[in-house]
Amino acid sequence: GDSVTQMEGPVTLSEEAFLTINCTYTATGYPSLFWYVQYPGEGLQLLLKATKADDKGSNKGFEATYRKETTSFHLEKGSVQVSDSAVYFCALSERNAGGTSYGKLTFGQGTILTVHP
Amino acid sequence: DVKVTQSSRYLVKRTGEKVFLECVQDMDHENMFWYRQDPGLGLRLIYFSYDVKMKEKGDIPEGYSVSREKKERFSLILESASTNQTSMYLCASSLAVIVEETQYFGPGTRLLVL
Repeated sequence: GDSVTQMEGPVTLSEEAFLTINCTYTATGYPSLFWYVQYPGEGLQLLLKATKADDKGSNKGFEATYRKETTSFHLEKGSVQVSDSAVYFCALSERNAGGTSYGKLTFGQGTILTVHP
Repeated sequence: DVKVTQSSRYLVKRTGEKVFLECVQDMDHENMFWYRQDPGLGLRLIYFSYDVKMKEKGDIPEGYSVSREKKERFSLILESASTNQTSMYLCASSLAVIVEETQYFGPGTRLLVL
């Protein structure tokens, strides 16, 4: 079945450092890929997404590129802030042959990011 | 503004009790989902529903059931709570379109089963 693997955490960085959180996936069809973020005490919210190979999703300074050849969707940010401290989840949603999926998501295990001033 | 609400933020129950977790969305979404979130395991899908009175099992349905009598409301039921069901439960909803839509999440219910 489908699966998503994220880099082990937690990740601790100083403000303005460069961030990479690795994400690789296994899927048999044509997945869409997502990064969700969970701030302390809140539910998840979509950070960015990409629906086909070579697409780049971006939002709030974060970027991720859908790489089909390496089955990866790594999250990057050039300069992190204290307010980026959160748990980050990589996820995929696979379309079936008819192009529908009901939007079911398969999540990675999550990566805790802590940014210090 | 998009809104998914869950009936409780924190809940403490005894082993063997029947537990109801309620989720309401105000976005007229067709799809609704229940996940549980555990450290190191990410989110795992318990059940989902793509229409009123329709439901499908997710990856870990054992020990749970669901009810969707109205489009805006999706309930998760623990028939006889057990300590291994202590977890964070997250509800989500999304539009039903051919291309995958964003899921919108509620704030979660942290359930402790003693």
